[in-house]
Amino acid sequence: GEDVEQSLFLSVREGDSSVINCTYTDSSSTYLYWYKQEPGAGLQLLTYIFSNMDMKQDQRLTVLLNKKDKHLSLRIADTQTGDSAIYFCAEAYGGSQGNLIFGKGTKLSVKP
Amino acid sequence: NAGVTQTPKFQVLKTGQSMTLQCAQDMNHEYMSWYRQDPGMGLRLIHYSVGAGITDQGEVPNGYNVSRSTTEDFPLRLLSAAPSQTSVYFCASSSGGETEAFFGQGTRLTVV
Repeated sequence: GEDVEQSLFLSVREGDSSVINCTYTDSSSTYLYWYKQEPGAGLQLLTYIFSNMDMKQDQRLTVLLNKKDKHLSLRIADTQTGDSAIYFCAEAYGGSQGNLIFGKGTKLSVKP
Repeated sequence: NAGVTQTPKFQVLKTGQSMTLQCAQDMNHEYMSWYRQDPGMGLRLIHYSVGAGITDQGEVPNGYNVSRSTTEDFPLRLLSAAPSQTSVYFCASSSGGETEAFFGQGTRLTVV
């Protein structure tokens, strides 16, 4: 079946850049997403990238997509303590956000 | 505009009891989904709907039923609760395609 893999933990110092990596298996995925979950809360869409793009930048966030290797990354520049959360990579199975396949989530800890 | 509303926020059930988790959205979204989130497992899709009257199974549908009689509501029914269904349940809605999926705040269910 389809699968999305990401590392479980990442620890960085405040002000450094964070890079969260993800690999996926569905080569037909049209969109790939990054969601953020703060403790006790639901999921919030951070950004998404269309499969025909290599890169997307949105303020402190940069998404890189290597479609050949099915590798997606999220870079957070100047990481702040408020960025501490779990970050989920997800692909839209069949091209619809009605059917998302999530990775297990990467817990980002930001040390002052 | 309330977004996606889930009720209840917390619930404790005894094994064998039945209950319905409610989900309502006021954004006129066609797509609605139910996910469960377990530690170390990420979010897994239980059931989803692409419009009123249309539902389909996700990755982990066993033990759950859904119906979609209106665009706004997408209840999730547990017919005979089991301890393995202890989890946090999230409902999401979207208008499809590349648009953002909006998540509810979650229902934390414990089956004893």
